[in-house]
Amino acid sequence: DAKTTQPNSMESNEEEPVHLPCNHSTISGTDYIHWYRQLPSQGPEYVIHGLTSNVNNRMASLAIAEDRKSSTLILHRATLRDAAVYYCILDNYGQNFVFGPGTRLSVLP
Amino acid sequence: GAVVSQHPSWVICKSGTSVKIECRSLDFQATTMFWYRQFPKQSLMLMATSNEGSKATYEQGVEKDKFLINHASLTLSTLTVTSAHPEDSSFYICSQEDINYEQYFGPGTRLTVT
Repeated sequence: DAKTTQPNSMESNEEEPVHLPCNHSTISGTDYIHWYRQLPSQGPEYVIHGLTSNVNNRMASLAIAEDRKSSTLILHRATLRDAAVYYCILDNYGQNFVFGPGTRLSVLP
Repeated sequence: GAVVSQHPSWVICKSGTSVKIECRSLDFQATTMFWYRQFPKQSLMLMATSNEGSKATYEQGVEKDKFLINHASLTLSTLTVTSAHPEDSSFYICSQEDINYEQYFGPGTRLTVT
């Protein structure tokens, strides 16, 4: 079973920020938090990952709660190309990824 | 980021035939490779894990004699679906892990068995 829980779906308007939540209350001290996204008929694409501190890259930001039991993926300005299924995954030094159902993000023009 | 390719991107085969899917890492050496299967509107399900030079470890419920995995080198893994049946029709995705435990996914192969 996936060790994370996410909302099934979310909607956003184009050009607006999107906050995608993920709960992982049973996270261990060495679990990394990974975010991937999957566009239709494509393999998952890496978005961002972190351990304890907030992380930023050109695609998104990752905000990690102080107790690490939850995290939020932030897309600063959603575009139509960001419409995808977003997966939050815990990984401990190369153990296989367990994919939950993810959050299907719809972006409205 | 690292690039992983899969070939073919899609394949249609007749029931009873075998199909081989290749997964290559183009710019790094993969210590571990994973094969996933994804049915329509469902999430990815791990089928097996393999390390170069050793036998694959299959997930519960995945028939190792039906889904043959060969991890021939640090850049190539193959999945052969033997005696394919319509229920094997799915989207097959590989991923490869580098020495830093980062996973990179291939674009997927859509298999349709008629």
